[in-house]
Amino acid sequence: DQQVKQNSPSLSVQEGRISILNCDYTNSMFDYFLWYKKYPAEGPTFLISISSIKDKNEDGRFTVFLNKSAKHLSLHIVPSQPGDSAVYFCAATNSNSGYALNFGKGTSLLVTP
Amino acid sequence: DVKVTQSSRYLVKRTGEKVFLECVQDMDHENMFWYRQDPGLGLRLIYFSYDVKMKEKGDIPEGYSVSREKKERFSLILESASTNQTSMYLCASSLGQDEKLFFGSGTQLSVL
Repeated sequence: DQQVKQNSPSLSVQEGRISILNCDYTNSMFDYFLWYKKYPAEGPTFLISISSIKDKNEDGRFTVFLNKSAKHLSLHIVPSQPGDSAVYFCAATNSNSGYALNFGKGTSLLVTP
Repeated sequence: DVKVTQSSRYLVKRTGEKVFLECVQDMDHENMFWYRQDPGLGLRLIYFSYDVKMKEKGDIPEGYSVSREKKERFSLILESASTNQTSMYLCASSLGQDEKLFFGSGTQLSVL
């Protein structure tokens, strides 16, 4: 059963605008969340993460928001650039119970000029 | 920079063949993982290892086995390849209790 869900398979945004990618999780034991970015024919690369003790983490153009009560997190990219076009995976884990990440199915972001 | 190297970018095998996918990391990471990525299914964990000679089943271990004889090397074995094992295989590693995974570039395996 999918514990991490990304319900939007794709998203198209104009360059310069905000991209918002959403992720929901079902396991209340998850306490650490990550976003990965993947270009075709390459492995995923780490983008940004957030611990459950925070509700926001920012790194340059990328901000992740966490709403624990709703079991929801989102990745905001502002401003979006064509080079941001990629598949974005949300991942979650419990930092005390194992080493593997649970991934969502991914959202393909297309940023158009 | 962490480097996770997968021995092949593309591999074509026949049904029933034994297939070895090799992965090497150069950062002395304790944990290593094998995932497969399929369209519409995301990344699914096959096996992982948190120490030499240790292995744990992931979500979809059926049809696969692994070997970790040395800390830096983690091998995925398909004992008898089948067409439903055609996929992109991704190896990853992480340090101790660090949640962040570092991925290799992937091996696109086609089983005909």
